[in-house]
Amino acid sequence: DTEVTQTPKHLVMGMTNKKSLKCEQHMGHRAMYWYKQKAKKPPELMFVYSYEKLSINESVPSRFSPECPNSSLLNLHLHALQPEDSALYLCASSLNTGGGFGYTFGSGTRLTVV
Amino acid sequence: EDQVTQSPEALRLQEGESSSLNCSYTVSGLRGLFWYRQDPGKGPEFLFTLYSAGEEKEKERLKATLTKKESFLHITAPKPEDSATYLCAVQAVTSGTYKYIFGTGTRLKVLA
Repeated sequence: DTEVTQTPKHLVMGMTNKKSLKCEQHMGHRAMYWYKQKAKKPPELMFVYSYEKLSINESVPSRFSPECPNSSLLNLHLHALQPEDSALYLCASSLNTGGGFGYTFGSGTRLTVV
Repeated sequence: EDQVTQSPEALRLQEGESSSLNCSYTVSGLRGLFWYRQDPGKGPEFLFTLYSAGEEKEKERLKATLTKKESFLHITAPKPEDSATYLCAVQAVTSGTYKYIFGTGTRLKVLA
């Protein structure tokens, strides 16, 4: 299995809702990432998990809460989002955080906040 | 400051018209340079990793090269299905901390 699977593919949520994005990989990768991407912009790093521990939080607002239940799963819990949070949310994984390894990205969740 | 710059921002080619995309970088402690292809609404798809100056990698109509300051993605005789955004990324290490820096991408459109 050489894929990163993200669910749901599309999500529309109100500003008072709570929702979660899910990401799964079975490649034995020990680093997992959440990225946010706006139209015509490069992916913007949000969080890095290394060996199931949060190693990087790029000053992301607390309305985004990551969770890594085990080495194969990564969640992003969303609460009280703003319309400007609408974007494509990408999960990625790599063998580890160093060593010059390419990332495997999922297809993303298209999030719309209304 | 570590920086990755891609040019051109957008490129339109006729089918069969070869060209090159550029990725310039200024980083310390380069660990690898990566090329990705991204289709609209999808996640980036990994293409190549280059580790040292002089290295080249090829895949179908694509060839990536690396110097000490930049990388080129050469597209030979492109087809409409090569239309996508091409992203480069650089992994660098500074004081034991790894950074992964994306360029802003080149949007390629190949016309039939």
